[in-house]
Amino acid sequence: GQQLNQSPQSMFIQEGEDVSMNCTSSSIFNTWLWYKQDPGEGPVLLIALYKAGELTSNGRLTAQFGITRKDSFLNISASIPSDVGIYFCAGTFPLMDSNYQLIWGAGTKLIIKP
Amino acid sequence: DVKVTQSSRYLVKRTGEKVFLECVQDMDHENMFWYRQDPGLGLRLIYFSYDVKMKEKGDIPEGYSVSREKKERFSLILESASTNQTSMYLCASSLSDRDPRGNTGELFFGEGSRLTVL
Repeated sequence: GQQLNQSPQSMFIQEGEDVSMNCTSSSIFNTWLWYKQDPGEGPVLLIALYKAGELTSNGRLTAQFGITRKDSFLNISASIPSDVGIYFCAGTFPLMDSNYQLIWGAGTKLIIKP
Repeated sequence: DVKVTQSSRYLVKRTGEKVFLECVQDMDHENMFWYRQDPGLGLRLIYFSYDVKMKEKGDIPEGYSVSREKKERFSLILESASTNQTSMYLCASSLSDRDPRGNTGELFFGEGSRLTVL
């Protein structure tokens, strides 16, 4: 099946640092999405990207839909303690019958060093 | 405030027991999903449903079944729980494929049910 390679698997950063994570695939995706899961909660959508090359911001978060449609990145500027959690990328992969399949990355765990 | 509610946050069951996980959404969404989350494996789709009484297998349906008798409710059933089904279970819902905006993969998740099978 289709796969998304999300990296890094985990990040240990200092408060105030910028963060960057990405997802790549060998296949073309129609949509890229970034979700965040706070500890003990379900994932929540942060940013959705619909067009190749699209760059979208949500506060301190910026995400881009790669021009080849095979990758996406998420940047967090000036991290704060509440940024801790697991960040998931997801992409919608087109199927032959005009439906789609939602594929998930394995997640990036963000930990802020005290 | 839109919401997906899972009936139990934490459950402890014994091997061989039947387990029901309930999920209710108040957004009138057609699509509902059950995922399993394990460290390092991300989210894996167990079953999903596009309509009442409809169900489709996801990537890991073995050992599970589902029920969708009403649009707002989607139940996950473990007929005979096993220790390898110890996991976090996440329910989600989304708008229909037939929505004119298209199904974009924007899912709304519940808080999760952490199941431990002893």
